[in-house]
Amino acid sequence: EAGVAQSPRYKIIEKRQSVAFWCNPISGHATLYWYQQILGQGPKLLIQFQNNGVVDDSQLPKDRFSAERLKGVDSTLKIQPAKLEDSAVYLCASSLPLRSGGYNEQFFGPGTRLTVL
Amino acid sequence: AQSVTQLGSHVSVSEGALVLLRCNYSSSVPPYLFWYVQYPNQGLQLLLKYTTGATLVKGINGFEAEFKKSETSFHLTKPSAHMSDAAEYFCAGELNRDDKIIFGKGTRLHILP
Repeated sequence: EAGVAQSPRYKIIEKRQSVAFWCNPISGHATLYWYQQILGQGPKLLIQFQNNGVVDDSQLPKDRFSAERLKGVDSTLKIQPAKLEDSAVYLCASSLPLRSGGYNEQFFGPGTRLTVL
Repeated sequence: AQSVTQLGSHVSVSEGALVLLRCNYSSSVPPYLFWYVQYPNQGLQLLLKYTTGATLVKGINGFEAEFKKSETSFHLTKPSAHMSDAAEYFCAGELNRDDKIIFGKGTRLHILP
């Protein structure tokens, strides 16, 4: 079974530029997550999708970050304009849909390391 | 507030020695708890998880953890450290059982020869 795919693996941009990251979840996984992992910290959830709808984007800085999952499969996370503090690893994860009383393991991709100069 | 706290951002142990990484949580409902490992330039790999049932859970690579409700802890142990265990370890929890994982800040494990 193929895992969660992300691209690019590394990206270096200057502040105020824009950047986009792509994620392809595991086939059949309806739930998709984007996390931000700043150096020295644990991952922090940015946004959660169920199919093509947003479940939770309360931690997404919406003035500069946007994300979409138009067909309920692949997802794109965009930053425009980037700031120095956006330097981080951006992780994508996917899981089966939440079932009442159940547990669904999240599977993580390798991440995209963003450096903003 | 609901949280996951890891004690010690860096832990060093000698090869062959006991590994103990500490994690405490704060939750108003019985949580799901996890330990993840992250090797350099790689994503997160699930080591083990506690959801329900037996409180002592065994994971991959010889690691295990025990859920102690009275102590709100989920410490990770391995009897004998190996050089290949050097990595970053994250304790995490679904503190509301709502598909949302909260991570601790991580502990970098160093193995001394």
